[in-house]
Amino acid sequence: EAQVTQNPRYLITVTGKKLTVTCSQNMNHEYMSWYRQDPGLGLRQIYYSMNVEVTDKGDVPEGYKVSRKEKRNFPLILESPSPNQTSLYFCASSRKSRETQYFGPGTRLLVL
Amino acid sequence: RKEVEQDPGPFNVPEGATVAFNCTYSNSASQSFFWYRQDCRKEPKLLMSVYSSGNEDGRFTAQLNRASQYISLLIRDSKLSDSATYLCVVNIVNSGGSNYKLTFGKGTLLTVNP
Repeated sequence: EAQVTQNPRYLITVTGKKLTVTCSQNMNHEYMSWYRQDPGLGLRQIYYSMNVEVTDKGDVPEGYKVSRKEKRNFPLILESPSPNQTSLYFCASSRKSRETQYFGPGTRLLVL
Repeated sequence: RKEVEQDPGPFNVPEGATVAFNCTYSNSASQSFFWYRQDCRKEPKLLMSVYSSGNEDGRFTAQLNRASQYISLLIRDSKLSDSATYLCVVNIVNSGGSNYKLTFGKGTLLTVNP
């Protein structure tokens, strides 16, 4: 089944404790992206990747890192999480950047 | 002007009603257009792409007016299962022309009542 998976789905952590949210797709898509969704602000892009080893900042990259060492994986790293990073995070992928994006199920993060 | 702007809603309609969502975008270089649907606490899912000639999928009709930079979605004979947030999505090319970025409207919540 073609899909985008994210782990963990739910996470409660404390300020400053490094964490990684994994994202994996099995569709051989070139383009992958991370978004956060907050009430009243909609979906905002954090980082994106056009292909392996090619990543760039989205609209709200501060406090996040990403890597794209393999085509299928695009982890999101929070080196020192803060409470303002409490949010719902979605990973998405598409064959090319201009095409329809498919979303993972989301990761709900609470930073205390 | 916001990059993608939608009716703020929410919309509450009875079953069987026709409901229309409107969306405007600011970047005339935008290349592709979509409507996504998002159920509560779930991921956005593609409802339909929007083409210049207009397109229809069952009870759903999407229209694009490039001159006015306007997109619409019409739902006819609405069902209870249509209750969701509808997201207008525009694919905007960067200044170098090498990359496209999906930009989302904030969404319009639709509740269809029995």
